[in-house]
Amino acid sequence: KAGVTQTPRYLIKTRGQQVTLSCSPISGHRSVSWYQQTPGQGLQFLFEYFSETQRNKGNFPGRFSGRQFSNSRSEMNVSTLELGDSALYLCASSLDRQGDTEAFFGQGTRLTVV
Amino acid sequence: GQNIDQPTEMTATEGAIVQINCTYQTSGFNGLFWYQQHAGEAPTFLSYNVLDGLEEKGRFSSFLSRSKGYSYLLLKELQMKDSASYLCAVRGDNTDKLIFGTGTRLQVFP
Repeated sequence: KAGVTQTPRYLIKTRGQQVTLSCSPISGHRSVSWYQQTPGQGLQFLFEYFSETQRNKGNFPGRFSGRQFSNSRSEMNVSTLELGDSALYLCASSLDRQGDTEAFFGQGTRLTVV
Repeated sequence: GQNIDQPTEMTATEGAIVQINCTYQTSGFNGLFWYQQHAGEAPTFLSYNVLDGLEEKGRFSSFLSRSKGYSYLLLKELQMKDSASYLCAVRGDNTDKLIFGTGTRLQVFP
């Protein structure tokens, strides 16, 4: 079956712009989480969605937002981009919070803010 | 607070055994995961521990001690392709949120 699909793979934006990233989870997975990965900070949790509801949110400013649709696809949006937002944004999907259900990661969207 | 510690870098020789340690302090615990990430690629799942003890999967094994807040990933018969970053992550209660360590970059030399 298809894995987690993130689009676009690469993106270059200028400061002050806004960006929307998309994630399609594995078919049947209802949980989607977003992470930001930078060389200095590693993987930092952004949000977690389950059945269109945000279950958890990380310590990021309000410029970072997200949503999940009824088909479990998720989007995240970053407004008023800053240079420090340059990072690899990873989406992970999982079947359920219970048991040994691992999170499967997409290839990520590499965002560069100039 | 929540904290996960693992060494930043390790080196080893092809064919050898290497152990990557991870210690954690989190407000809840519902499993510990190890992921492998090659440069420029997505993390891929290696192992999951929720009960104390050793889980073995081929050349890779992972150990957990919940009372000590400690885990390790053991890689045997190292191959050059094992050069990658290894990420330790803890899942809290009632959530799919993963708290990651900063990762251990392993370099395997011939």
